[in-house]
Amino acid sequence: DQQVKQNSPSLSVQEGRISILNCDYTNSMFDYFLWYKKYPAEGPTFLISISSIKDKNEDGRFTVFLNKSAKHLSLHIVPSQPGDSAVYFCAASDPGTSGTYKYIFGTGTRLKVLA
Amino acid sequence: GAGVSQSPSNKVTEKGKDVELRCDPISGHTALYWYRQSLGQGLEFLIYFQGNSAPDKSGLPSDRFSAERTGGSVSTLTIQRTQQEDSAVYLCASRLDFTSTGELFFGEGSRLTVL
Repeated sequence: DQQVKQNSPSLSVQEGRISILNCDYTNSMFDYFLWYKKYPAEGPTFLISISSIKDKNEDGRFTVFLNKSAKHLSLHIVPSQPGDSAVYFCAASDPGTSGTYKYIFGTGTRLKVLA
Repeated sequence: GAGVSQSPSNKVTEKGKDVELRCDPISGHTALYWYRQSLGQGLEFLIYFQGNSAPDKSGLPSDRFSAERTGGSVSTLTIQRTQQEDSAVYLCASRLDFTSTGELFFGEGSRLTVL
């Protein structure tokens, strides 16, 4: 069963507009969430994270929103740039019973920013 | 280098052969993860080494897969009697402290092709 879900496999956005990438999770014990960006033939790189005690975290053009009651998070990129075209993964940290933080990733959303 | 290093970057093997993939994490990182990404799929968790504790092997897809982490540093993922469905990019990641949350740092991956 997929505990972290990204239901949109792809998204196209015009340059300068807002990109919104969504992620849903099923485990209410997840306490830390991250977004990663991946270019072809490269490893994923960290973008932004949020703790479960917050509902928003902002870093430049990137903002992550967390809705714990809905078990939903989203990544907003504004303004979108062609260099943002990549696959975006959300991830959740499962502290487990012994507090050892297994990280579970979603299936990814391919973002294409059109010039 | 300062990042996570993986080797080989590309491996082509024949069905039935054994392969070893190596990961050299960032120095001092106590948590080490292996994931794989099959074509068009997300990041599938394989195994998690957490300090000197027993690893979380819950993601290994079969008993043909095994991994070791020697001396709390370098890790080797071994796939015995490879099958075509093992073809994927195998990604290693490390994190500073397995007892708390924090950013995962990924290597560039080892692309395995089983003919």
